[in-house]
Amino acid sequence: ETGVTQTPRHLVMGMTNKKSLKCEQHLGHNAMYWYKQSAKKPLELMFVYSLEERVENNSVPSRFSPECPNSSHLFLHLHTLQPEDSALYLCASRKGSAASTDTQYFGPGTRLTVL
Amino acid sequence: QKEVEQNSGPLSVPEGAIASLNCTYSDRVSQSFFWYRQYSGKSPELIMSIYSNGDKEDGRFTAQLNKASQYVSLLIRDSQPSDSATYLCADYFNKFYFGSGTKLNVKP
Repeated sequence: ETGVTQTPRHLVMGMTNKKSLKCEQHLGHNAMYWYKQSAKKPLELMFVYSLEERVENNSVPSRFSPECPNSSHLFLHLHTLQPEDSALYLCASRKGSAASTDTQYFGPGTRLTVL
Repeated sequence: QKEVEQNSGPLSVPEGAIASLNCTYSDRVSQSFFWYRQYSGKSPELIMSIYSNGDKEDGRFTAQLNKASQYVSLLIRDSQPSDSATYLCADYFNKFYFGSGTKLNVKP
């Protein structure tokens, strides 16, 4: 256990559904991340929140909408997804200090399948 | 575009051998480097981090960093079947950049 939890662990949804992924960290970290991992591709950074403020959005489609109500919780709201959005979605947290030596700790991921 | 390159493998080694995993990165300003292990269907877990040129050892794992040549490697001594996984290399400069991973198979 890394101290980062994600729910649900598996999700199957149709293209017209709306669902949300939840991430919670118990490490006292200040930065949280959403990554997408597709087969044989590098981890793709989707969103970064530091001290609850979004600091990066790598041109992710608007059908993905993040929410960070506090430093311990992070959500990814999903709507009208496409089959190519099927992937493993990973949440990670980090101390969020300026130190480059701080690593990220990953949650177990949500395996998303879009039909 | 910043890149981290890894050979996708699979790299097959017999049990007890040394597994050598390599990674190159494109940006000379990268400051920190990390190796993660990812079992199939699981999330990445940190194995080693290295920030200075040279070697860093932790148990059966040794990370090697050469900033002049822009490569970082991971050696696994006395490889075990339980080491079979995908190994992700990452570097950090303002954010993390990940390679696509090298799949390692350790055969009993």
